[in-house]
Amino acid sequence: QVQLVQSGAEVKKPGASVKVSCKASGYRFSGYYIDWVRQAPGQGLEWMGWIAPSSGGTNYAQSFQGRVTLTRDTSINIVYMELSRLRSDDTAVYYCARLAAGGPGDYWGQGTLVTVSS
Amino acid sequence: EIVLTQSPATLSLSPGEGATLSCGASQSVNSGYLAWYQQKPGLAPRLLIYEASSRATGIPDRFSGSGSGTDFTLIISRLEPEDFAVYYCQQYGTSPRTFGQGTKVEIK
Repeated sequence: QVQLVQSGAEVKKPGASVKVSCKASGYRFSGYYIDWVRQAPGQGLEWMGWIAPSSGGTNYAQSFQGRVTLTRDTSINIVYMELSRLRSDDTAVYYCARLAAGGPGDYWGQGTLVTVSS
Repeated sequence: EIVLTQSPATLSLSPGEGATLSCGASQSVNSGYLAWYQQKPGLAPRLLIYEASSRATGIPDRFSGSGSGTDFTLIISRLEPEDFAVYYCQQYGTSPRTFGQGTKVEIK
């Protein structure tokens, strides 16, 4: 069965970087884009960007340009999301999601809580 | 970017009642690429509807979606206890992909 398993919770200081992983299984890894979406405490969903595992091509939301980097390792079916220059308002749960053909997220990871605090 | 506005913010209903949720877009959504998700506390969103009206795998037929252009609707025909949650719409036809702010369906 399709599964996306994310790395564990992180606590970071302002100005630091965080790298969250998303390991895919149960389907052909290169065949589906992976989205990243975050959710601040008590807030809605915010799209960050996607990566095409086959080519490594990416598309980032303007609000994260220059701070977010999506990469993948096709040998172990993992996608990484790295967010730099962290601020307190980056405290959120970060989700990866597999994009079905056409684009909605049909399978989601369990989420990774990133807390930014001094 | 396309701004999605969901209404109402909160819907207070009883089990067995029907629910109508709206999602309005600031400009036309390409190819009807509009999805609806359900989210329960502490869990990831769950895809319910894609391409405005197609049910995702395993979604009960009490959930239905409709609409095109700038106006979209999610209808839950008879609320079951497990349907009380927050619902989000998302357009994925134009970059950046955007979400509505959510509608909370709560027990009255």
